[in-house]
Amino acid sequence: ETGVTQTPRHLVMGMTNKKSLKCEQHLGHNAMYWYKQSAKKPLELMFVYNFKEQTENNSVPSRFSPECPNSSHLFLHLHTLQPEDSALYLCASSPPGPGGTEAFFGQGTRLTVV
Amino acid sequence: DQQVKQNSPSLSVQEGRISILNCDYTNSMFDYFLWYKKYPAEGPTFLISISSIKDKNEDGRFTVFLNKSAKHLSLHIVPSQPGDSAVYFCASGGSTLGRLYFGRGTQLTVWP
Repeated sequence: ETGVTQTPRHLVMGMTNKKSLKCEQHLGHNAMYWYKQSAKKPLELMFVYNFKEQTENNSVPSRFSPECPNSSHLFLHLHTLQPEDSALYLCASSPPGPGGTEAFFGQGTRLTVV
Repeated sequence: DQQVKQNSPSLSVQEGRISILNCDYTNSMFDYFLWYKKYPAEGPTFLISISSIKDKNEDGRFTVFLNKSAKHLSLHIVPSQPGDSAVYFCASGGSTLGRLYFGRGTQLTVWP
């Protein structure tokens, strides 16, 4: 248990559905991240939030829409996804400090788009 | 352009012997290096780290070595145990970069 909780753990959705992934941490961390892990690929950074402000969008398609209402919660809103978007979506958080400080990951949401 | 590279997708080692996982990086701004371990259907968990001012950091059976001139780091696990079987990710970051960069991972299998 890392203190970063993701829900749901598994999600199957159709290409016309709208769903949201949720990430929550009460570790006092200021930065939160969404990563995507597809088979045989490295962890791909999608978004970075620092003190609720988005600081990085790694050329992610607009069908992925992040939301960070406060430093403890991070959402990833999904709509009109494609089958190739099926992957493990990981949320992470890290404490204040110099860049590169240890990040804590949630257990991930296994997303399948049908 | 991948700034952190793990060129071996898999490694198989007998129980009790040493496992050596390798990682190369390209960005000279990196000054902090970490290894994460990931079991199936779980998120990565932090294992061990090293800053650029050191060349070795040891924690029990795990030792990370850093060769800055070669931009190379390695993780040694000795003795290896079947429970060490997992995917190991190398990650690097820098004080001015604000985030971590991950390699593709190496699947370690330790067999009895």
